[in-house]
Amino acid sequence: DIVMTQSPDSLAVSLGERATINCKSSQSVLYSSNNKNYLAWYQQKPGQPPKLLIYWASTRESGVPDRFSGSGSGTDFTLTISSLQAEDVAVYYCQQYYSTLSYTFGQGTKLEIK
Amino acid sequence: EVQLVQSGAEVKKPGESLRISCKGSGYSFTSYWISWVRQMPGKGLEWMGRIDPSDSYTNYSPSFQGHVTISADKSISTAYLQWSSLKASDTAMYYCARLEMATITDYWGQGTLVTVSS
Repeated sequence: DIVMTQSPDSLAVSLGERATINCKSSQSVLYSSNNKNYLAWYQQKPGQPPKLLIYWASTRESGVPDRFSGSGSGTDFTLTISSLQAEDVAVYYCQQYYSTLSYTFGQGTKLEIK
Repeated sequence: EVQLVQSGAEVKKPGESLRISCKGSGYSFTSYWISWVRQMPGKGLEWMGRIDPSDSYTNYSPSFQGHVTISADKSISTAYLQWSSLKASDTAMYYCARLEMATITDYWGQGTLVTVSS
């Protein structure tokens, strides 16, 4: 299995400030034939299913505010919230879909307001 | 509108069997794989396995292989997750989710809470 490791496990950021969450994969999730990174980010609020935010490492899902952005390639990725809003309090997960034998998630990062 | 509607919460005893369901609508059910994801109380997301409803081909995470069975009935656009003998450690929320082109998980069911307790 490809192991996904997120950092930090939890994060407290002031409203309007930048939040940065990191995700590292145990092997590259960059598919050389199409130059795409097989990496997605999800947001999960309490009592709700996860919601897709970002796919192909940097493509924002339709309807997702542009304060959310994804970056990185190969084994190191970042989710950035440029200006934290109260409604962004949630747990965030990365997931690789490079290996179709097992679509592993990171352990999650809990984002709170400072 | 794409929807995945899961069956309701279940309370079972250890050793009992269970099958939960996930009905897709608003899209061609056989054109997308379905994944199942476990979330134990207060914990993160764990990918369990997936099925291609067009031919019922499955693969499982090594952590879940042999412990659960994923199946589908394409005639009624429904996928299933089943256990033959539940354990207390199976207590969790279970989500089904749609896989686009075997890659991106774009739509999720609302979740089915399974509680196993004597």
